[in-house]
Amino acid sequence: GQNIDQPTEMTATEGAIVQINCTYQTSGFNGLFWYQQHAGEAPTFLSYNVLDGLEEKGRFSSFLSRSKGYSYLLLKELQMKDSASYLCAVMDSNYQLIWGAGTKLIIKP
Amino acid sequence: GAVVSQHPSRVICKSGTSVKIECRSLDFQATTMFWYRQFPKQSLMLMATSNEGSKATYEQGVEKDKFLINHASLTLSTLTVTSAHPEDSSFYICSAQGPRGGDTGELFFGEGSRLTVL
Repeated sequence: GQNIDQPTEMTATEGAIVQINCTYQTSGFNGLFWYQQHAGEAPTFLSYNVLDGLEEKGRFSSFLSRSKGYSYLLLKELQMKDSASYLCAVMDSNYQLIWGAGTKLIIKP
Repeated sequence: GAVVSQHPSRVICKSGTSVKIECRSLDFQATTMFWYRQFPKQSLMLMATSNEGSKATYEQGVEKDKFLINHASLTLSTLTVTSAHPEDSSFYICSAQGPRGGDTGELFFGEGSRLTVL
């Protein structure tokens, strides 16, 4: 079966750095996505990785290792507004998105 | 970025009635749109893939006669929840593939519609 694993909840301090991990087992691979979702709102696109390595975009970076079936989202200089759920999703060989359950990130002052 | 608008944002209806939710791509043409459902504290669940000019493809377990999807134009897809019941109460979200198509996989999401069936 297809499976995406990410921690249910994480807590971090404002101004700090946090890394949210995602491991996956899917039928084929056509890219891994990270989305941010604030409570009661639709998800917003953060990043897309299809090749191994680190993609940096401002305070957010995303890393992928296809051989390990592993990705992480790195958030730097955390702000209170970063409190949200972070969803990892993998596009399989049929171009279907397989979603993780999301990681709820709580930022404390 | 590309904009997707979803309407209504909130709707309350009586059990047995039908509700239509619209999803529009405002500044690009979307040949493919996706409809998701999200129950509290759960991840998004794909309900169906909507292709312009053809029948929608439904995920296993989703009743196509209950959740009617129409994608009549390149900028509009609608989801109609027919004979709604309290268990259909959920957050419904649409998304569309961006202007660059499926290569990047980038999806743009509507604002979501919260349906409450009394």
